[in-house]
Amino acid sequence: QSALTQPPSASGSPGQSVTISCTGSSSDVGAYNSVSWYQHHPGKAPKLMISEVSKRPPGVPDRFSGSKSGNTASLTVSGLQAEDEADYYCSSYAGLNNLVFGGGTKLTVL
Amino acid sequence: QVQLVQSGAEVKKPGASVKVSCKASGYNFKDYYIHWVRQASGPGLEWMGWINPKSGATNYAQKFKGWVTMTRDTSITTAYMEVTNLRSDDTAVYYCAREGPIYTSAFDHWGQGALVTVSS
Repeated sequence: QSALTQPPSASGSPGQSVTISCTGSSSDVGAYNSVSWYQHHPGKAPKLMISEVSKRPPGVPDRFSGSKSGNTASLTVSGLQAEDEADYYCSSYAGLNNLVFGGGTKLTVL
Repeated sequence: QVQLVQSGAEVKKPGASVKVSCKASGYNFKDYYIHWVRQASGPGLEWMGWINPKSGATNYAQKFKGWVTMTRDTSITTAYMEVTNLRSDDTAVYYCAREGPIYTSAFDHWGQGALVTVSS
């Protein structure tokens, strides 16, 4: 299966909102509500930010929200803070017990 | 608390094999699938497959079928991932991750990663 498509970069100033898209197909993102988002700081383990399209795990600030429309999922970070600067990856169940990741988006806080 | 602790960095020659371990603690090991994900140089995560610790059943991404093997030892709550016939482009950080919440295809806990360097 092909990787999900994410923009390579995104940016915003502190306090602003930024949205990162994740485009798949009718075989993955469009077919299942099993889209997840991860925050990855270099040298550290990825951290789950959103599961099942829009569910926040305990401890994840409510500044992070997820949604989906058709074959495209989105992660919105509101009230940007310096510590939000990281790489963000989406993933989706792709059927037949398979999973696929996006290529990643580098979020820069200006 | 839930922890996944992986084995250390390895340096291997092309054609060799490497086996990375992932020691789980803080939860019932048999209740959650363990997945393996790698990150080669540069951005990008690549899903490799999963193992069901209860049954030992496995599922591999198409790309890794035939040269990656995932196993587990329930007596010591440890999962393993072995890559054979290593090539230079297998140089990567290999992560184990727990699928949770159950049956969501999300990974709520990750190991710290194990760097495998393939070089002659």
